[in-house]
Amino acid sequence: DAKTTQPNSMESNEEEPVHLPCNHSTISGTDYIHWYRQLPSQGPEYVIHGLTSNVNNRMASLAIAEDRKSSTLILHRATLRDAAVYYCFPRRAGGTSYGKLTFGQGTILTVHP
Amino acid sequence: KAGVTQTPRYLIKTRGQQVTLSCSPISGHRSVSWYQQTPGQGLQFLFEYFSETQRNKGNFPGRFSGRQFSNSRSEMNVSTLELGDSALYLCASSLASSGANVLTFGAGSRLTVL
Repeated sequence: DAKTTQPNSMESNEEEPVHLPCNHSTISGTDYIHWYRQLPSQGPEYVIHGLTSNVNNRMASLAIAEDRKSSTLILHRATLRDAAVYYCFPRRAGGTSYGKLTFGQGTILTVHP
Repeated sequence: KAGVTQTPRYLIKTRGQQVTLSCSPISGHRSVSWYQQTPGQGLQFLFEYFSETQRNKGNFPGRFSGRQFSNSRSEMNVSTLELGDSALYLCASSLASSGANVLTFGAGSRLTVL
């Protein structure tokens, strides 16, 4: 199974950029890298995903290393609403791991006003 | 557009009972996956269904089972409940199971076993 490693926790101040790292050294060539976040008492919500190139959307940016063994989620200006647990994981495209996801422990992001 | 709906949201059972949880995916989504979330173990994959077929299963005992109907709605069942089954059970739907497909999660069903 694919394994991910993330820091247990990170802190940021409001309005500052946040860089959340993720190591996914066992990633396969066709795996997409997904990032989700979970607020208290809610299910995880989609943030961003990508395959090889860096990706941007209205929520965040995703920087993917050239060897794809790591990625970084970038929140350009953290707000209090960004305080959540952030999960990254490779999403397998097929084979015996079809549809099977292995979540890491996630990173608890604290944002200070 | 309606999101993923899970019912019931909260339930309390006693050891030895069984429970059935329901998940209605986003319209048009054919893949439904289930997860167990506990403080100690985090998010763990239970199983994934696509077009009424279970395509993958996590490392859970046979007491945990599921199915998917022709309208893509899914149910999971836990028999002979144990205290350790107390958890938040999440389901997620996506168009298909490929890596490019985004998952949409429901709010979860919180099960307490006494």
